[in-house]
Amino acid sequence: AQSVAQPEDQVNVAEGNPLTVKCTYSVSGNPYLFWYVQYPNRGLQFLLKYITGDNLVKGSYGFEAEFNKSQTSFHLKKPSALVSDSALYFCAVRDGGAGSYQLTFGKGTKLSVIP
Amino acid sequence: DADVTQTPRNRITKTGKRIMLECSQTKGHDRMYWYRQDPGLGLRLIYYSFDVKDINKGEISDGYSVSRQAQAKFSLSLESAIPNQTALYFCATSEIARGENTGELFFGEGSRLTVL
Repeated sequence: AQSVAQPEDQVNVAEGNPLTVKCTYSVSGNPYLFWYVQYPNRGLQFLLKYITGDNLVKGSYGFEAEFNKSQTSFHLKKPSALVSDSALYFCAVRDGGAGSYQLTFGKGTKLSVIP
Repeated sequence: DADVTQTPRNRITKTGKRIMLECSQTKGHDRMYWYRQDPGLGLRLIYYSFDVKDINKGEISDGYSVSRQAQAKFSLSLESAIPNQTALYFCATSEIARGENTGELFFGEGSRLTVL
């Protein structure tokens, strides 16, 4: 079975400060990892993904995430937070093994960037 | 226009009523999904379809049914709605790149369903 944990329900950060949204995962095969963002009254939007290769993945809106195999983590980061980054963030994992199809989502972390 | 369109966006209904949520997409993707979002629970997969002739149950399919009318259309039905089906429902699509589904999903704007 595969699972995702987002240990923080909410993260507050001051505008201009760096932000981190944490994610850890469990999967039996090779992990395919994703971050999605949901703005109020909107659907989820894809931010970035890790399939293979460089452990540091860069995505949309200046976000990046670091894959750490030993710690089974895929934390989302941004060097300087904007008020417009305030949203709900979801981490998701899929087992990259043959025949696997299903994404498992975390419960989400609400990011609030304070002006 | 949105690539993945859901109708209705909001619906209030009563216990026991039959409800259909519709999804259409212009992305040309073969794979379509229905998810349910509940506060504090994230997204959970209800049903998915890899093509018109392929329908599969997800982790929470009880009380739901689906129909894939065409490559671009995937509808979700609640045959007899109950209050704990009150939730935000999302349709999503995905493509296969170089023979593999890497998992990137494209979501609709959501359909908020309230069952009284």
